[in-house]
Amino acid sequence: RKEVEQDPGPFNVPEGATVAFNCTYSNSASQSFFWYRQDCRKEPKLLMSVYSSGNEDGRFTAQLNRASQYISLLIRDSKLSDSATYLCVVFSNDYKLSFGAGTTVTVRA
Amino acid sequence: EPEVTQTPSHQVTQMGQEVILRCVPISNHLYFYWYRQILGQKVEFLVSFYNNEISEKSEIFDDQFSVERPDGSNFTLKIRSTKLEDSAMYFCASNRDPNEKLFFGSGTQLSVL
Repeated sequence: RKEVEQDPGPFNVPEGATVAFNCTYSNSASQSFFWYRQDCRKEPKLLMSVYSSGNEDGRFTAQLNRASQYISLLIRDSKLSDSATYLCVVFSNDYKLSFGAGTTVTVRA
Repeated sequence: EPEVTQTPSHQVTQMGQEVILRCVPISNHLYFYWYRQILGQKVEFLVSFYNNEISEKSEIFDDQFSVERPDGSNFTLKIRSTKLEDSAMYFCASNRDPNEKLFFGSGTQLSVL
């Protein structure tokens, strides 16, 4: 089983729509969780950290479900500029960051 | 905002040649990393470095690869004898603590011909 798995998508949504996707992780001892955004041929950039209680940053909401070992990202009121690949990143207790393969989101006008 | 800088942005080399990719991590960061991303594929961990030694490396990071922190600011990745399959975007990253968010450089696109 892969350490971090994501639905690759693509999720193709109209502007203004809500889109949500999950990321599952295999190591139950994982400690920290992040969502990164990556535009084509650019470096990953931190979108948000994911806290146990869930957290929101503007139109973005991240949730953590430790029991089922997944994190989620929800994007409300999608903008064209939200089109990107969203990477799930998990830090486990062996000092290793594991990346998911990414979920591609395309927002159309 | 402080940033991780990488040079060069593009490197073209012949198969079998040695290349050195350079990175300047954020100055107060203690943990340094190299990742690579082959076109269309996921970001893959290569190596992490702390306190002047490798703390972890992946199976990709074989004897052809080495890292060095030659002075107080630079962090380099050397590929001794490049292969075609080494063609990828190489990202350097750093953080203050491995549990904290990772800051990435803009990458070096390596093309091996």
